[in-house]
Amino acid sequence: EAGVTQFPSHSVIEKGQTVTLRCDPISGHDNLYWYRRVMGKEIKFLLHFVKESKQDESGMPNNRFLAERTGGTYSTLKVQPAELEDSGVYFCASSPHRNTEAFFGQGTRLTVV
Amino acid sequence: GENVEQHPSTLSVQEGDSAVIKCTYSDSASNYFPWYKQELGKRPQLIIDIRSNVGEKKDQRIAVTLNKTAKHFSLHITETQPEDSAVYFCAASTDGGKLIFGQGTELSVKP
Repeated sequence: EAGVTQFPSHSVIEKGQTVTLRCDPISGHDNLYWYRRVMGKEIKFLLHFVKESKQDESGMPNNRFLAERTGGTYSTLKVQPAELEDSGVYFCASSPHRNTEAFFGQGTRLTVV
Repeated sequence: GENVEQHPSTLSVQEGDSAVIKCTYSDSASNYFPWYKQELGKRPQLIIDIRSNVGEKKDQRIAVTLNKTAKHFSLHITETQPEDSAVYFCAASTDGGKLIFGQGTELSVKP
């Protein structure tokens, strides 16, 4: 069974540019989460999809971040325009049910210069 | 708001010794407590989890204890090996499903 996959693995962009991160969850997992780890700090929750619906987006930092999950399969997280403080590792995770094991992707390391 | 505190931030032990990592949580509605291990350059992976109706759970060299009254849970690794070296994250969640993570503990096991 394929795990959670994320694209790209690394991205370096200039301040003000746009970047789109993609996450393919494990097939059949209705719950999809986005998290972010800024250098040396904790992994912070961004938002939670149940199928195609946003269940909880309380962790989204501001309106420069837009997440979608059309059709309830893969998800994208777009940052526009990117700022220096957006640098970090963005993780996606999926689970079949809430409060069960969340399977993480390998992360996308975003560097804004 | 929801918060999880994790200590220590770094831990160095000799191979064969035990390692203990402690976490406290703030939301009394938390009922699921997973521990993730992240090796360098790899994805976080679940190593053990515990639910609020259980006080202790063990899986070979790894055990987790939970004290709901104190809102405190701990990871215990016995007979540590060099391959246990990694960053360990505790987390807590309520029925909503989102994980609130601790700050992480970098464990180094010296041969």
